[in-house]
Amino acid sequence: SQTIHQWPATLVQPVGSPLSLECTVEGTSNPNLYWYRQAAGRGLQLLFYSVGIGQISSEVPQNLSASRPQDRQFILSSKKLLLSDSGFYLCAWSGIEGGPQYFGAGTRLSVL
Amino acid sequence: GQQVMQIPQYQHVQEGEDFTTYCNSSTTLSNIQWYKQRPGGHPVFLIQLVKSGEVKKQKRLTFQFGEAKKNSSLHITATQTTDVGTYFCALYNSNYQLIWGAGTKLIIKP
Repeated sequence: SQTIHQWPATLVQPVGSPLSLECTVEGTSNPNLYWYRQAAGRGLQLLFYSVGIGQISSEVPQNLSASRPQDRQFILSSKKLLLSDSGFYLCAWSGIEGGPQYFGAGTRLSVL
Repeated sequence: GQQVMQIPQYQHVQEGEDFTTYCNSSTTLSNIQWYKQRPGGHPVFLIQLVKSGEVKKQKRLTFQFGEAKKNSSLHITATQTTDVGTYFCALYNSNYQLIWGAGTKLIIKP
């Protein structure tokens, strides 16, 4: 069966520090991969999505970037974190375009 | 871009009462999905509706897709404490990006 791993679960980082969040999917090949951010009590904001290795689409101009170095690995990065980058970051995958999305457990990022 | 309006933002119910959340769009939808997010957790896929007038049931949960495919609802009968969380509708736009409603938070009164 398919599983998605996302780590770390929580992260506290100072303003101006770098960020790297990793997500990996097991049990499937060529998944569509997504990074979302969720502010407290709010809906999900799509940040990046990828339909294949090296293919990244960005939805929101911001301080973040994403990479997909391997088929089932998706990385969210920042060179210098801002206070406004705090939030709940969720990675998700789907097997087909237009199909259900399955989420990792998420990373709660606090930038202080 | 395509948007979906979800109401209400919150619903407080006594355990055993029913709960309903609604999603509305100004444009015709090809499909709509529903997710549940428990407090502190991640969204979990519940169901996808694709046909006009479709009604699907999962135990005490009933999902409906409007005849015009512009609205959808999720109804929970006789809520239980395990139902607590936020329920989101979501739809794919033409670029296969999932557009999310704001969510309805189900709160069980003590």
